[in-house]
Amino acid sequence: QKEVEQDPGPLSVPEGAIVSLNCTYSNSAFQYFMWYRQYSRKGPELLMYTYSSGNKEDGRFTAQVDKSSKYISLFIRDSQPSDSATYLCAMKGYNQGGKLIFGQGTELSVKP
Amino acid sequence: GAVVSQHPSRVICKSGTSVKIECRSLDFQATTMFWYRQFPKQSLMLMATSNEGSKATYEQGVEKDKFLINHASLTLSTLTVTSAHPEDSSFYICSAVVGETRTGELFFGEGSRLTVL
Repeated sequence: QKEVEQDPGPLSVPEGAIVSLNCTYSNSAFQYFMWYRQYSRKGPELLMYTYSSGNKEDGRFTAQVDKSSKYISLFIRDSQPSDSATYLCAMKGYNQGGKLIFGQGTELSVKP
Repeated sequence: GAVVSQHPSRVICKSGTSVKIECRSLDFQATTMFWYRQFPKQSLMLMATSNEGSKATYEQGVEKDKFLINHASLTLSTLTVTSAHPEDSSFYICSAVVGETRTGELFFGEGSRLTVL
């Protein structure tokens, strides 16, 4: 079993839809949770960074962490064609520096 | 966000040659940088941690003699793929932590796509 599970998709939605992306994990030591967006042939771009359980909102993006269920989510409101990319969840324990454990990534396509 | 720059973005080489990839932090100092590798349709895997002024720390299964890492300054780390072979073809991405290494946010470079013929 992988430490981090993420449905690879592809996920296709119409423009303006609310998108829900999810990851589950097995390591209870994970404390920091991130969502990255990666366009084709580009490096990952940090979207959201959260510590422990709770919600965090930034513009059209909301990240949720439920440590009791070992489940994290990213919601995208009013999705745009420019949101079409691969979304990677990532996480790490305390004192792990740059050693992130990534999910496989979900490929999202937002159709005009 | 913080800017991490990589060069070259794409390189094609013949089997048996060595290739150097540079990673620079443009607007901050990074005592620690990280090198990841990504195969098509797969996730990123940490290869090694690059420490300024000291030896790199490699993840299990990563050959340190094949993937040479040098972190000579607070803004530059290099990855050299020695005697490259077709199976080394991959997307190599460096990253750096802004703030405290243990808890800070990790920013990635644009990546370098290596193709070994």
